[in-house]
Amino acid sequence: EAQVTQNPRYLITVTGKKLTVTCSQNMNHEYMSWYRQDPGLGLRQIYYSMNVEVTDKGDVPEGYKVSRKEKRNFPLILESPSPNQTSLYFCASSTQGFGETQYFGPGTRLLVL
Amino acid sequence: AQTVTQSQPEMSVQEAETVTLSCTYDTSESNYYLFWYKQPPSRQMILVIRQEAYKQQNATENRFSVNFQKAAKSFSLKISDSQLGDTAMYFCAFSWYNNNDMRFGAGTRLTVKP
Repeated sequence: EAQVTQNPRYLITVTGKKLTVTCSQNMNHEYMSWYRQDPGLGLRQIYYSMNVEVTDKGDVPEGYKVSRKEKRNFPLILESPSPNQTSLYFCASSTQGFGETQYFGPGTRLLVL
Repeated sequence: AQTVTQSQPEMSVQEAETVTLSCTYDTSESNYYLFWYKQPPSRQMILVIRQEAYKQQNATENRFSVNFQKAAKSFSLKISDSQLGDTAMYFCAFSWYNNNDMRFGAGTRLTVKP
């Protein structure tokens, strides 16, 4: 089954404790991206990747890191989480960029205390 | 700056009736893409419909259709014969033609009532 998976689905952590949210897709997509969803703000792009070892900042990259060592994986790293990073996070992938259909993961609900 | 504006935070419709969700956007480009995504209570984001700006014909997908007014920078979604399963948050989204960026509106929460 073609899908984008994220882990964990739910996470409660404390300020300053490094965490990684994994994202994996099995569709051989070139593009992958991370979004955060906050009430009243919709989805905002954090980082995106056009291919292996090619990443770039989106609208709200502060406090986040990413890497793309393999085509299928695109982890999101919060090196020192803060309460303002409490949010719902989505990973997405697409074949050739944002003009194409994006396939979203199921979301990760993060609470930073 | 807000690129995509959805002016209706919440809407409701009776089952089997028609509802229209509004979306406006701001760009100086002539080529771009527009989307409507649906997010049901499961939180899964699902593409409803996609429109390429250079195509004048409005996109349709079964009960879903759009009214694309390029000059007015408007991209509304019409849902015909509303069903209970249409209850969801709907996001309008914009992507530049040759830019690696995508912008979403704040969303419209639609409730279909039996």
